[in-house]
Amino acid sequence: AQSVTQLGSHVSVSEGALVLLRCNYSSSVPPYLFWYVQYPNQGLQLLLKYTSAATLVKGINGFEAEFKKSETSFHLTKPSAHMSDAAEYFCAVGNFGNEKLTFGTGTRLTIIP
Amino acid sequence: GAVVSQHPSRVICKSGTSVKIECRSLDFQATTMFWYRQFPKQSLMLMATSNEGSKATYEQGVEKDKFLINHASLTLSTLTVTSAHPEDSSFYICSGGRGYEQYFGPGTRLTVT
Repeated sequence: AQSVTQLGSHVSVSEGALVLLRCNYSSSVPPYLFWYVQYPNQGLQLLLKYTSAATLVKGINGFEAEFKKSETSFHLTKPSAHMSDAAEYFCAVGNFGNEKLTFGTGTRLTIIP
Repeated sequence: GAVVSQHPSRVICKSGTSVKIECRSLDFQATTMFWYRQFPKQSLMLMATSNEGSKATYEQGVEKDKFLINHASLTLSTLTVTSAHPEDSSFYICSGGRGYEQYFGPGTRLTVT
């Protein structure tokens, strides 16, 4: 069984400040972990993924995430927020041989000018 | 690469009619396609998983006779909402699976009046 918990349904940061979106997972097998971004009335775009290689994963738009097995976490960060980062972010967990994903409830990121 | 399209992007229909939504993988073959439903400001809810040439597997609580899924080829899956009612109004998103990843379509906004 798998599950994902995203702490904080809403996060607000000032433009230029650090972005930190939290994701904790539960999985009975080694997980694959994903972060997706969704802009209003659009589908999901993959930001980055962890698939058992390097624990620090770099994605698009300056985002990165670190897989920490001991903490069962996969938090998403960006050093300097931009107005265009305002969107909904979803963390998801899957595993090898299974294309089915389990999504977190999402975090809405607001950027304050 | 790995682009998924959906058609239509928006549809308005009258209560009692049926609506078909198409999901196509444009540049890859998707052995598995997923259909999700997303309510406003909520996460994605998996409705069903479809494999080419076989019957779809529906998640618990999803009416298979109401949400008909056909996966006719490795690049096309369709979702038909039969006898639509206002409570079926939602954002429907499909994804194509390749390996352990899913590639998402842009979504279809269904409004039932």
